Amino acid sequence: NAGVTQTPKFQVLKTGQSMTLQCAQDMNHEYMSWYRQDPGMGLRLIHYSVGAGITDQGEVPNGYNVSRSTTEDFPLRLLSAAPSQTSVYFCASSYGWGTEAFFGQGTRLTVV
Amino acid sequence: GDSVTQMEGPVTLSEEAFLTINCTYTATGYPSLFWYVQYPGEGLQLLLKATKADDKGSNKGFEATYRKETTSFHLEKGSVQVSDSAVYFCALSGRSGGGADGLTFGKGTHLIIQP
Repeated sequence: NAGVTQTPKFQVLKTGQSMTLQCAQDMNHEYMSWYRQDPGMGLRLIHYSVGAGITDQGEVPNGYNVSRSTTEDFPLRLLSAAPSQTSVYFCASSYGWGTEAFFGQGTRLTVV
Repeated sequence: GDSVTQMEGPVTLSEEAFLTINCTYTATGYPSLFWYVQYPGEGLQLLLKATKADDKGSNKGFEATYRKETTSFHLEKGSVQVSDSAVYFCALSGRSGGGADGLTFGKGTHLIIQP
């Protein structure tokens, strides 16, 4: 059982570069979300999706784009990386409202 | 909006000690409540959950009871082990919570168990 798979696990970017963090799930979950985790801040929601073709902003969406063309995939794009985006990023999926969320292993991103 | 408050720690205990991590919440309606655990270098995984008042969630020796009257969901374990060292997140899923599944997280409690 793969669950939620994130790639890459580690990434170093230079300021101004762009990249895409990949997230895929094989549980046929409709709900998917992206979070960032920073020391002392807990988990903060970036973007989320309630189904293919439907996305919405979370608490900290600036500097990030998402799309959801399939149920399985929910990539997160950094348009022009900034040092403030240095963080650990987690993708999560769930079957529905109030149900268990399954998390990927995370992507540790450093922007220099 | 919804919110979750938990002690941030670090909380340091000796092996076999009793553990309590407090969690209180603010939410409209009747949210579901969760405890997630994050081991070093890994993502979060569900530890236990409760979906209605007075429900008790339990797993791996951990327990938490959904107390609507005190809006609390404290995590307890009778005898901790070194392998329980991790970060523990309290969370709720409610109507005004963020995201696809309405999850609102606390900031996490770093637990360190010393042999």
